[in-house]
Amino acid sequence: ELKVEQNPLFLSMQEGKNYTIYCNYSTTSDRLYWYRQDPGKSLESLFVLLSNGAVKQEGRLMASLDTKARLSTLHITAAVHDLSATYFCAVWYNNNDMRFGAGTRLTVKP
Amino acid sequence: DGGITQSPKYLFRKEGQNVTLSCEQNLNHDAMYWYRQDPGQGLRLIYYSQIVNDFQKGDIAEGYSVSREKKESFPLTVTSAQKNPTAFYLCASIRRTGATNEKLFFGSGTQLSVL
Repeated sequence: ELKVEQNPLFLSMQEGKNYTIYCNYSTTSDRLYWYRQDPGKSLESLFVLLSNGAVKQEGRLMASLDTKARLSTLHITAAVHDLSATYFCAVWYNNNDMRFGAGTRLTVKP
Repeated sequence: DGGITQSPKYLFRKEGQNVTLSCEQNLNHDAMYWYRQDPGQGLRLIYYSQIVNDFQKGDIAEGYSVSREKKESFPLTVTSAQKNPTAFYLCASIRRTGATNEKLFFGSGTQLSVL
């Protein structure tokens, strides 16, 4: 059975700093997704990573995928308060459903 | 505008009562999903439907039921058998633009609480 693990689960950063969120998964998959969720809100799709070595960037966020290591990273550059949210990675399982990590709750402080 | 509409936004259930959460999409997507989210946790799959009149159990289907009579609609009933129903429920549908390129669209969610 596929397991998806994120770390850290909680992350408190100062504005302007850099940090990386890690997502490990236990079985082979070539599709990995990153979502953002604000408190009490739905999930917003950030990135879709479809192949080994894929890298995507949007603003201060950059996501990468290493399918051999079964690892994806979400890198935050020069964090700002607006990035405060919970970030989830998710992996397709058996072509039927998407398995989610537990989420990383990011707080960016002035 | 196309999207997924969930209603109600907040729902309260009395003990022993069945309640139904609505999910409607006008995206013309074939597949639809129901997820449950508990505080501080990720999403867990309850049920999914790949086509009309067909649906499959996810990891935590006990105490829930669904129907898929129309492509646009995938209602979820939380039955009295679900002893711990308090959670945030998210409905989603999928757009497939290729064999390996899916994107899940989510509704705004329903917060269910027990009175």
